Amino acid sequence: SVLTQPPSASGTPGQTVSISCSGSNSNLGSNPASWYQQLTQTAPKLLIYTNDQRPSGVPDRFSGSKSGTSASLAISGLQSEDEAEYYCAAWDDSLNGWVFGGGTKVTVL
Amino acid sequence: QVQLQESGPGLVKPSRTLSLTCTVSGGSISSGAYYWSWVRQAAGKGLEWIGRIYTRGNTYYNPSLKSRVNISLDTSKNQISLNLDSVTAADTAVYYCAREGHYSFWSGFYLDFYYYMDVWGKGTTVTVSS
Repeated sequence: SVLTQPPSASGTPGQTVSISCSGSNSNLGSNPASWYQQLTQTAPKLLIYTNDQRPSGVPDRFSGSKSGTSASLAISGLQSEDEAEYYCAAWDDSLNGWVFGGGTKVTVL
Repeated sequence: QVQLQESGPGLVKPSRTLSLTCTVSGGSISSGAYYWSWVRQAAGKGLEWIGRIYTRGNTYYNPSLKSRVNISLDTSKNQISLNLDSVTAADTAVYYCAREGHYSFWSGFYLDFYYYMDVWGKGTTVTVSS
């Protein structure tokens, strides 16, 4: 994948889990990150847009940030319902297309 | 609110053309500064962007699929279509359509937009097999 994410992350209920997303100048270095949550056997759902904005209905336990060519998603107060795959995405000016990270599987222990 | 529904054959023979439709309800595909994207996901794999089309018909395609892909709008039916030629087993996947919402900002003297996929269909599974 053009964007690099760790394949897995885990935490116990109530903990904070962070997921990194590393890119390059042509994608995250030039454009904002968005994050998507995909529960098992369901369609992706927008979680964060333009680096740190939450759509209405997304709990404020989810937060995003970006610095340079890297972005991060943090899940605070981890809950069992947060167990899912998380993907980062950005527009790539060189490829003239969307690029995704490979996904991070979050497990609640 | 806007809802998307993908439809099409669940089974396509190798070397044939895969044709899918995304029907939009709750809004018109020809209004607003929206892009409409197709994204696919092979079993156990990540998301792969296929291409997008603007409300005025401008298209962008994934360079790795560009020679085989065509995305179009049917405004009379409020649908977005995807055609993928010369399919192989590697094209077996769940195919999603998604609307790209936007965040506007001033870039110098003109209004620019950042996009993100804010509405997704439930997806449709396509298997390529003889």
